[in-house]
Amino acid sequence: LAKTTQPISMDSYEGQEVNITCSHNNIATNDYITWYQQFPSQGPRFIIQGYKTKVTNEVASLFIPADRKSSTLSLPRVSLSDTAVYYCLVGGYNQGGKLIFGQGTELSVKP
Amino acid sequence: DAGVIQSPRHEVTEMGQEVTLRCKPISGHDYLFWYRQTMMRGLELLIYFNNNVPIDDSGMPEDRFSAKMPNASFSTLKIQPSEPRDSAVYFCASSSWTGRNTEAFFGQGTRLTVV
Repeated sequence: LAKTTQPISMDSYEGQEVNITCSHNNIATNDYITWYQQFPSQGPRFIIQGYKTKVTNEVASLFIPADRKSSTLSLPRVSLSDTAVYYCLVGGYNQGGKLIFGQGTELSVKP
Repeated sequence: DAGVIQSPRHEVTEMGQEVTLRCKPISGHDYLFWYRQTMMRGLELLIYFNNNVPIDDSGMPEDRFSAKMPNASFSTLKIQPSEPRDSAVYFCASSSWTGRNTEAFFGQGTRLTVV
């Protein structure tokens, strides 16, 4: 499994755009990049997944450069309710469905 | 579907007692995961099943821990005997494998306190 590195914590204010970058230097050709969000006292929730370039959904955007050694989760105009831990996962066919979570990034949104 | 259902939501038990956590995955999902979460160790994968068969139990901390999946709609995680250091939130998750790092659905968790 490719090792991922992300900041332990980030602070932001309501209305700002937040970008969380994850490093995964050893990503394999078949690996996908997936981000999860976890609120206090809840299980993680899938946010977005991508392989290369840019993916956007109603919650976030995921930017992946050509070398795929990093990825950036972008949350537009955050609100207090976006305060959560965000996890970056890398894996795919070679891992046979196995999901390993790293330490995650604790995002705190302030008024 | 009601999502992944775990029971109980909270469990308080005395050291040495047997604890059984239960999980009902989403119908049609072929993968089931058991995780443990603590402040110190984060979210740890304990074991996961594919089509009811345990695939990787390398995360199970000790022989005191065991997990079963007798059918596609039910799994248990048992701790016997329980110890205070087992206190944590235990999550069950299920997914349907598509060849990607797939989307897993988590239950609400069981908060276990061993006193």
